[in-house]
Amino acid sequence: EAQVTQNPRYLITVTGKKLTVTCSQNMNHEYMSWYRQDPGLGLRQIYYSMNVEVTDKGDVPEGYKVSRKEKRNFPLILESPSPNQTSLYFCASRAGPNYGYTFGSGTRLTVV
Amino acid sequence: GQNIDQPTEMTATEGAIVQINCTYQTSGFNGLFWYQQHAGEAPTFLSYNVLDGLEEKGRFSSFLSRSKGYSYLLLKELQMKDSASYLCAADRGSTLGRLYFGRGTQLTVWP
Repeated sequence: EAQVTQNPRYLITVTGKKLTVTCSQNMNHEYMSWYRQDPGLGLRQIYYSMNVEVTDKGDVPEGYKVSRKEKRNFPLILESPSPNQTSLYFCASRAGPNYGYTFGSGTRLTVV
Repeated sequence: GQNIDQPTEMTATEGAIVQINCTYQTSGFNGLFWYQQHAGEAPTFLSYNVLDGLEEKGRFSSFLSRSKGYSYLLLKELQMKDSASYLCAADRGSTLGRLYFGRGTQLTVWP
């Protein structure tokens, strides 16, 4: 089944403790992206990647890092999480510019 | 910059027709997506318009006017399961990978 898989689904952590949210797609898509979704603000793009080793900032990149060492994986790294990063995170992939994103099931992160 | 506007909430009754509007201002515009998102779930793709006009897909249709920076999603024969948030998103082909979302329209369908 074609899908985007992200883990974990739920995570509660403490301020300052580094964490990684994994994302993997099995569709051989070149484009991948991370979004966060907050009430009243909608989906905002954090980082995106157009191919292996090609990444760029989205609208809200502060406090996040990404890497794209392999085509299928696009992990999101929070080096020092803070409470304002409490949010619902979605990883997504797409085949190209005229194609829609396929989203993962989401990761609900709480930073206390 | 980019600006995407859609109504925050709409309500309708089962069997009715509802039109959800979206206006956008974005440079390098390539096309307009509509997604459906049920509470707590991932957005799912509904439609993509590149050219002006109406695209019909079963009970759902989407319209685009590039000159007016305007799109709408038309839902016919509404069902309770259509209660969800509907997101419009502008595709910036000039900056590959950039897809800008509106804040979503929460549609509630009443029996």
